[in-house]
Amino acid sequence: SQQGEEDPQALSIQEGENATMNCSYKTSINNLQWYRQNSGRGLVHLILIRSNEREKHSGRLRVTLDTSKKSSSLLITASRAADTASYFCATLNSGYSTLTFGKGTMLLVSP
Amino acid sequence: DAGVTQSPTHLIKTRGQQVTLRCSPISGHKSVSWYQQVLGQGPQFIFQYYEKEERGRGNFPDRFSARQFPNYSSELNVNALLLGDSALYLCASSLAWDSVNYGYTFGSGTRLTVV
Repeated sequence: SQQGEEDPQALSIQEGENATMNCSYKTSINNLQWYRQNSGRGLVHLILIRSNEREKHSGRLRVTLDTSKKSSSLLITASRAADTASYFCATLNSGYSTLTFGKGTMLLVSP
Repeated sequence: DAGVTQSPTHLIKTRGQQVTLRCSPISGHKSVSWYQQVLGQGPQFIFQYYEKEERGRGNFPDRFSARQFPNYSSELNVNALLLGDSALYLCASSLAWDSVNYGYTFGSGTRLTVV
């Protein structure tokens, strides 16, 4: 079963614009992770934020986590055509070692 | 260093057949997890193995089985294939059994088509 729900399902922007994707989840978590997937191939780990953290940065990525609302957002600044991919949030539930993924957001960045 | 390698890349099988998918984790990683990703959905957890022992099992029928070898590589077996088993099968490796501090490293997957 899916834990997270990403919003929007699809996002189309121009190069240089910022892209924001949101993720909501249902149960308590240990951490929340974001992954990127190009053309239905393997997943690439982008960033991990722990349940006691509120914001984290990595290069052009900014992730926020609001455990009271059970939601997270991923911001990609100054997007590039190479950022075109599907983005998934995944939660690591307390006491478990498995990730539960959402359905993903498809991001299209046009030159 | 080689990443997580999966074989084969693509596979076409007939309903009722059996299939074996293979995964080699990153050198030094002792944990291997398997995920199934149906088209248009996020990956769903199937199995996790750590130090050759099953550490977790997702909500999949007994037709799905897996094992981990002494060199930490792993195989996923699916018996009596159904059309609904058509999916991308992803293998993920990690140093520890959990991903509390680090994310998993995924392979490129095996695309299984059941006809």
